[in-house]
Amino acid sequence: GQNIDQPTEMTATEGAIVQINCTYQTSGFNGLFWYQQHAGEAPTFLSYNVLDGLEEKGRFSSFLSRSKGYSYLLLKELQMKDSASYLCAEVDSNYQLIWGAGTKLIIKP
Amino acid sequence: NAGVTQTPKFHILKIGQSMTLQCTQDMNHNYMYWYRQDPGMGLKLIYYSVGAGITDKGEVPNGYNVSRSTTEDFPLRLELAAPSQTSVYFCASSPGTPTGELFFGEGSRLTVL
Repeated sequence: GQNIDQPTEMTATEGAIVQINCTYQTSGFNGLFWYQQHAGEAPTFLSYNVLDGLEEKGRFSSFLSRSKGYSYLLLKELQMKDSASYLCAEVDSNYQLIWGAGTKLIIKP
Repeated sequence: NAGVTQTPKFHILKIGQSMTLQCTQDMNHNYMYWYRQDPGMGLKLIYYSVGAGITDKGEVPNGYNVSRSTTEDFPLRLELAAPSQTSVYFCASSPGTPTGELFFGEGSRLTVL
């Protein structure tokens, strides 16, 4: 079956840059999402990649390499409000979303 | 601008009881979904619907039922609640394609004792 891997937890410093990685199985790939989820809240959409390369959206960028089954979310100029879980989700061959367990990002002053 | 509205936000059920989680959206989205989220696990799809009158099972449908009589409403019914159904439930909708952005409700935290 499909398997999405991302680190369980990461810590970074306010003002710094952090990269959150996500790997997925490449068969039947139809796109990859990143969502942000603050504790006790619903996930909110950050990005969708279906082609290789980097897409930038303000302080957040998302990268995809389809041949490697790899994506990352890059957060620049970290702010305390960026403390949240970041969920990676692959669109599989049946156009269903397969979700990773999420990466909890802790920002320290 | 309501978006996706879920009720209740919190509920405690006894084993064997039944209940319905309500979900309504005012964005005229065709696709609607029910997910459950357990600690340390990814979101798991319970049921989904691609339009009024059409529903289909997701990854973990056992113990649940849904209906979609209107575009706006997509209730989730729990029959004979079990402790394994203790979870946070999210309803979501998307405009028209499986690769579209999902809009989530605030979640319903359910405890079965």
